[in-house]
Amino acid sequence: GESVGLHLPTLSVQEGDNSIINCAYSNSASDYFIWYKQESGKGPQFIIDIRSNMDKRQGQRVTVLLNKTVKHLSLQIAATQPGDSAVYFCAETPITDKLIFGTGTRLQVFP
Amino acid sequence: EPEVTQTPSHQVTQMGQEVILRCVPISNHLYFYWYRQILGQKVEFLVSFYNNEISEKSEIFDDQFSVERPDGSNFTLKIRSTKLEDSAMYFCASSEIADTQYFGPGTRLTVL
Repeated sequence: GESVGLHLPTLSVQEGDNSIINCAYSNSASDYFIWYKQESGKGPQFIIDIRSNMDKRQGQRVTVLLNKTVKHLSLQIAATQPGDSAVYFCAETPITDKLIFGTGTRLQVFP
Repeated sequence: EPEVTQTPSHQVTQMGQEVILRCVPISNHLYFYWYRQILGQKVEFLVSFYNNEISEKSEIFDDQFSVERPDGSNFTLKIRSTKLEDSAMYFCASSEIADTQYFGPGTRLTVL
């Protein structure tokens, strides 16, 4: 079936450390993946995306890694800042353009 | 930077009443979507819309739901007879070429 799941519901990190948020997906037909950040009371905010023909993509302070062999996606945030505190969702698009979201990981950044 | 906007930010209604949630997608986008998020749960797809017709809908999007693009800028979601379980955050999203979807801030719907 279609499902996207996150391994860790809450991740706590020290300010300045690197964060790694993981996501497992089950649909091998998915060819496009997106990470969204959601702050309390706001809509999902696009962070970074990756297509299935790539295994790594870098943005500003963020890197997404895709391992199609084990159907695993990760988001790495370098030098985590208090403003990074939010819930992070991975989402996949199996075949059509509808997004299937994971359950979310809450990132807490401590000073 | 262009963004998706939604109104109202919070809608309170009585069970059985009709509600219309409004969205203004990013101006050059052609693909439009509605999602919902029940409190504490993940975001769920409701419907996608392209070229003035529904492209895909989920099983949540039953006969009580409808979408419309009444003019060149608005995209609306109507719930004809609201139920208690319709209480959720409703997000509109748009994309230029059916890839990256940009979300609005959401409308919190509370059904009493």
